[in-house]
Amino acid sequence: SQTIHQWPATLVQPVGSPLSLECTVEGTSNPNLYWYRQAAGRGLQLLFYSVGIGQISSEVPQNLSASRPQDRQFILSSKKLLLSDSGFYLCAWSRVSVQSSTDTQYFGPGTRLTVL
Amino acid sequence: AQSVTQLDSHVSVSEGTPVLLRCNYSSSYSPSLFWYVQHPNKGLQLLLKYTSAATLVKGINGFEAEFKKSETSFHLTKPSAHMSDAAEYFCVVRVLTNAGKSTFGDGTTLTVKP
Repeated sequence: SQTIHQWPATLVQPVGSPLSLECTVEGTSNPNLYWYRQAAGRGLQLLFYSVGIGQISSEVPQNLSASRPQDRQFILSSKKLLLSDSGFYLCAWSRVSVQSSTDTQYFGPGTRLTVL
Repeated sequence: AQSVTQLDSHVSVSEGTPVLLRCNYSSSYSPSLFWYVQHPNKGLQLLLKYTSAATLVKGINGFEAEFKKSETSFHLTKPSAHMSDAAEYFCVVRVLTNAGKSTFGDGTTLTVKP
């Protein structure tokens, strides 16, 4: 069966510090990978998605970046955090198929980031 | 373009009474629709999905949803609420031509009173 891991689970960082959040998927190959952010009391906003190693698409302008160094590893980074980067970050994966719209996205447990 | 509107940001019901969480969508293409549940500080769990097969979809934990194309709706229902159903619920739409990317509603917080 497939599982998705995220770490750390919680993180408190000062403004201006760097960030690295990691997501890994087990039990599948060549998944689509996604990073979402959920601000307090808000829905989910897609930040990045990736259809393969080194292939990253950004959905919104921001001071965050994403990388996919391995097939099942997805990293979210920042060089200098802002207060507005606080939120709940969720990684997700889905299978790659012709009918990609019907594929379920499976979510990780999330990382709670607080920027002070 | 696609969008999702969850018509109620908060719904409160008593334990044992029916649950109705409303979702309307718009899409230029035939959509796939999903409902997810999120408990506090947890990831999202899939409840059910519609993918152009039967319009009445049954999910986990007694939830079901009906796809109504004429009303562009995909409301989530449960006959009898349980205390453990208290959580946030998200309606999601995906279309094939949008690289399979999902558009999320803003969420509905369900409170279940004893």
